[in-house]
Amino acid sequence: QQQVKQSPQSLIVQKGGISIINCAYENTAFDYFPWYQQFPGKGPALLIAIRPDVSEKKEGRFTISFNKSAKQFSLHIMDSQPGDSATYFCAAAFTGNQFYFGTGTSLTVIP
Amino acid sequence: DTGVSQDPRHKITKRGQNVTFRCDPISEHNRLYWYRQTLGQGPEFLTYFQNEAQLEKSRLLSNRFSAERPKGSFSTLEIQRTEQGDSAMYLCASSSGLFISGANVLTFGAGSRLTVL
Repeated sequence: QQQVKQSPQSLIVQKGGISIINCAYENTAFDYFPWYQQFPGKGPALLIAIRPDVSEKKEGRFTISFNKSAKQFSLHIMDSQPGDSATYFCAAAFTGNQFYFGTGTSLTVIP
Repeated sequence: DTGVSQDPRHKITKRGQNVTFRCDPISEHNRLYWYRQTLGQGPEFLTYFQNEAQLEKSRLLSNRFSAERPKGSFSTLEIQRTEQGDSAMYLCASSSGLFISGANVLTFGAGSRLTVL
């Protein structure tokens, strides 16, 4: 059973636009929700993370919105740039041990 | 410190052969994780070490898979009698286990890609 469901599978955005990727989870015991960015041939790298006691976290152009009651969280990339083109994975974890990853979203930002 | 190193980066083998991957974590990190990633999918948890102790193993880790971290530093992942379904990217990650600003930061290596013919 997929613990974390991610959508869309792929996303094309114009430069300067907003990219939005959504994730939903089932297990309410998850207490840590990171987003990872992966470029071809590289391992995933932590982008931003949130704990369930806050509803939003912003770091630069990247924002996580968290809806605990709906068991959903999303990544917003403001002013999207071609360099943001990558695959993005959401994840959920129990006290940061075993991480469950979504299936990934391939983002393409068109110049 | 150059981050998490994995070796080899690519391995092509014939079905039935054994393969071994090595991971060198960030030196001060006491936690080490192995994940498997197939094309178009997110990483799937295989196993996790704290120092030399293997604390969790996924059901994905069949008895053909074995992982070790003998001195609490580098780790090896061995796959015996490889099958075509084992073809994947094997990712290693490490962490300090300390939550920094609420985050247990996993630092991933670039992965070892296995192709089983």
